[in-house]
Amino acid sequence: EIQLQESGPGLVKPSQSLSLTCSVTGYTITSGYDWSWIRKFPGNKMEWMGYISYSGSTNYNPSLKSRISITRDTSKNQFFLQLNSVTTEDTATYYCARPHQGVMDAWGQGASVTVSS
Amino acid sequence: DIVLTQSPVLAVSLGQRATISCRASQSVSISSINLMHWYQQKPGQQPKLLIYRASNLASGIPARFSGSGSGTDFTLTIDPVQADDIAAYYCQQSRESPFTFGSGTKLEIK
Repeated sequence: EIQLQESGPGLVKPSQSLSLTCSVTGYTITSGYDWSWIRKFPGNKMEWMGYISYSGSTNYNPSLKSRISITRDTSKNQFFLQLNSVTTEDTATYYCARPHQGVMDAWGQGASVTVSS
Repeated sequence: DIVLTQSPVLAVSLGQRATISCRASQSVSISSINLMHWYQQKPGQQPKLLIYRASNLASGIPARFSGSGSGTDFTLTIDPVQADDIAAYYCQQSRESPFTFGSGTKLEIK
C-alpha cells in the first residue's frame, strides 16, 4: 500500500523560503504517475500547486510559477517543494499527493506551515 | 482557470439523502468522459477520494455514495446519511491545468 508523508519546518519567516519533503513508501516514484503538492488555506480553499512526473518533468500552477520549484531524490524515493519569498498568505496545510490521470488517489497526512516573524 | 462553485453548508437529517452540487465555470467533459472528482475531508485528516470521473466509486467507499453529472453540473449524493459522514466535501476538475478545487461543502446534521 502506498503511503506519503510530509515533513519540514512548521514556521517560516516572511521573505524566506518554505521547504517540504514528501517521503513515499510502497511505490517507486520513478515507476509511474505524477507527484503533486496541494495546499489548503485557513478558510478551506484548496490550491493545486504543481507536480513532478515520474520522468522528472514538472508542471506548476501559473499563479506560483515564479516562486515554486518541485524536485526529487530518486535514491531516497522523495520529492520536495520549495516556495520562495513567502508571505503570511502562504500559511496553509501542505499536502503531497499522487494524481493518477488527474485524480488524487493517495494523500499524505499534511504539514501545517505558518509564515510569521 | 476553471472555477468550481459549491454551496458552503448543507444540513440534513440522519438517514435522509444529501445532495451536494458543484458547478463549473466551463465544461469539464471531453466526449463522454467527465473529469470531475469528489473528496471527503474530516477535521484533522487528509482528503480522501470518494468518486472519480463523476460517477465511479473509489476503492473501499460505501455504495451509499454516488456521483452524477456532465458538462458543468455535477452532484455527489449520500443516501442514507450516517453520522460518520459529517465532513467537508470538495469537487476537483482535471479537465485542464491548473487543476482546481471547489470551495467545499460542509455537511451538517439537522
